[in-house]
Amino acid sequence: AQSVTQLGSHVSVSEGALVLLRCNYSSSVPPYLFWYVQYPNQGLQLLLKYTSAATLVKGINGFEAEFKKSETSFHLTKPSAHMSDAAEYFCAVSDGSGAQKLVFGQGTRLTINP
Amino acid sequence: GAVVSQHPSRVICKSGTSVKIECRSLDFQATTMFWYRQFPKQSLMLMATSNEGSKATYEQGVEKDKFLINHASLTLSTLTVTSAHPEDSSFYICSACPTVSNQPQHFGDGTRLSIL
Repeated sequence: AQSVTQLGSHVSVSEGALVLLRCNYSSSVPPYLFWYVQYPNQGLQLLLKYTSAATLVKGINGFEAEFKKSETSFHLTKPSAHMSDAAEYFCAVSDGSGAQKLVFGQGTRLTINP
Repeated sequence: GAVVSQHPSRVICKSGTSVKIECRSLDFQATTMFWYRQFPKQSLMLMATSNEGSKATYEQGVEKDKFLINHASLTLSTLTVTSAHPEDSSFYICSACPTVSNQPQHFGDGTRLSIL
């Protein structure tokens, strides 16, 4: 079985500050890991994914995440927050099989203060 | 990029009505589509996996007779909420997996269902 824990349901940072959203996973097989962003009343948009290649993954909008097997973590970072980054962020894990069934974390709401 | 169209985006209807939600992959074929339900300020909960040409696989606790899924083609899956009641009000989101392997799921923009 797989699971994802996102530490902090709400993160607030100042514009221009570092963004750090935490994600820890549990998986009995090598995981595929994803970060998605959701804006109000919309579906999910893929920010980035880890699929057993490079451990540091760069995504869209200046986000990146680092896969750390020893810590079972896949934290999302962005060096400088922008007002448009305010949204809900979901970490997800899959076993990489053809069905690509995703297990989502609880989500973290990111607020950007001017 | 890959686009998934979900329709309608919002539905308000009376209790007892059946509501159909469509999920279409516009520029790719999808053997597998997923249906999720999201309550306010909560995460997505997988309801069922829809496979083209075969019966859907429902997650534990999801009533298959309540939430009918049809995946008749490689670009279309439908979710019908039968005899909807206020407790069925929620945000429903579909996603589609490109038939080509190693491609991530692409999500629709969701359907907000409100049952009066």
